[in-house]
Amino acid sequence: DQQVKQNSPSLSVQEGRISILNCDYTNSMFDYFLWYKKYPAEGPTFLISISSIKDKNEDGRFTVFLNKSAKHLSLHIVPSQPGDSAVYFCAAGVNTGGFKTIFGAGTRLFVKA
Amino acid sequence: SQTIHQWPATLVQPVGSPLSLECTVEGTSNPNLYWYRQAAGRGLQLLFYSVGIGQISSEVPQNLSASRPQDRQFILSSKKLLLSDSGFYLCAWRSGGFSYEQYFGPGTRLTVT
Repeated sequence: DQQVKQNSPSLSVQEGRISILNCDYTNSMFDYFLWYKKYPAEGPTFLISISSIKDKNEDGRFTVFLNKSAKHLSLHIVPSQPGDSAVYFCAAGVNTGGFKTIFGAGTRLFVKA
Repeated sequence: SQTIHQWPATLVQPVGSPLSLECTVEGTSNPNLYWYRQAAGRGLQLLFYSVGIGQISSEVPQNLSASRPQDRQFILSSKKLLLSDSGFYLCAWRSGGFSYEQYFGPGTRLTVT
């Protein structure tokens, strides 16, 4: 049962343009959402997060939007840079006596110079 | 500053052999610790998490087990490896409180032959 879904396995964007990565979730108990960036053969690194009580969080070139009614979130990267090429994981957090995080399958972003 | 170590970086083991992967965290106390596995072309699957010494929660029934003998040490084990245990194993920690952000180690690439 995939509670966090990233339906696009890959995305290709031209340098300088906007990258939009999408994520859907099914569990209404999730109260926190995160995006991680991962390079090959390395552990993921935390990128940006958003609480379920907000609908937008911005950090430099990265903005995360949350639509709770649609159970959908997205990560916008503007402008995209070749160094942004990596796998991006969407994750959702729920506190069930321990802070668990459920990850999506990831979207591989290619930013072309 | 906090650092997380995992070893070994790569491991090739025959089917039926035992496994022991170790993870240690420095620079923090009483962290929540997590083991994830990323199979080829897949997302991050939460295997175990621990909120304290000797406290282990299992997320997926399988032939793996975890232990936390010390506050900042987390061990992933198996008595007999299966081919399906191949993958990239990641350890992560989060500080206490209400933050969901997790910080990942460099990972161990396990190939079961």
